[in-house]
Amino acid sequence: DIVMTQSPDSLAVSLGERATIKCKSSQSVLTNSNNKNYLAWYQQKPGQPPKLLVYWASTRESGVPARFSGSGSGTDFTLTITSLQPEDVAVYYCQQFSTTPWTFGQGTKVEIK
Amino acid sequence: QAQLVESGGGLVKPGGSLRLSCVASGFTFSDFYMSWIRQAPGKGLEWVSYITSGGTTMFYADSVKGRFTISRDNAKNSLYLQMNSLRVEDTAFYYCAGGYPYGPLDYWGQGKLVTVSS
Repeated sequence: DIVMTQSPDSLAVSLGERATIKCKSSQSVLTNSNNKNYLAWYQQKPGQPPKLLVYWASTRESGVPARFSGSGSGTDFTLTITSLQPEDVAVYYCQQFSTTPWTFGQGTKVEIK
Repeated sequence: QAQLVESGGGLVKPGGSLRLSCVASGFTFSDFYMSWIRQAPGKGLEWVSYITSGGTTMFYADSVKGRFTISRDNAKNSLYLQMNSLRVEDTAFYYCAGGYPYGPLDYWGQGKLVTVSS
């Protein structure tokens, strides 16, 4: 199984500042046939289901604010929230959908400092 | 807009059975791979199973293999999860989710709580 490890487990960021979340996979999720990283990021607010933010490691889902961006390739990935807003308080998960079983990171809780 | 609505959760004793259903609307259900994802209260996300768009191929997490069965009825825009031999550790919110083939999980339901307890 591909193990997804996120860091940190939680972080507190001041409003308007940058939040950076890392995700590392135990095996590459880059597929050579189409040069795509099968890596997604989800946001989950309390009492709500997860919401897709970014897929193929760096493609923002329609309607997601531009302050959210994903980067990385192979085994190392980053989700960046520039200029943190109050509505960004949530838990963020990375997920690989390269190989079954699909696996998620343990989650990173983002709070306001 | 796309909507997924789960039903069928509840309280069941260890060893018992339960069937979850999920009805889709607002998108072409038959084009999508569909999944079940679960989340124990206060914990992270765990993929349970997915089924291809035509319903011919299914995959399961090892933790549920042989006990859970995923199925779909494209004529009814519906996804199902038959859960047998339930264990206390199966207690979780179960989310129905869908995405394009080989893609991420674009759409999610609100989730249904399944509690396995004596």
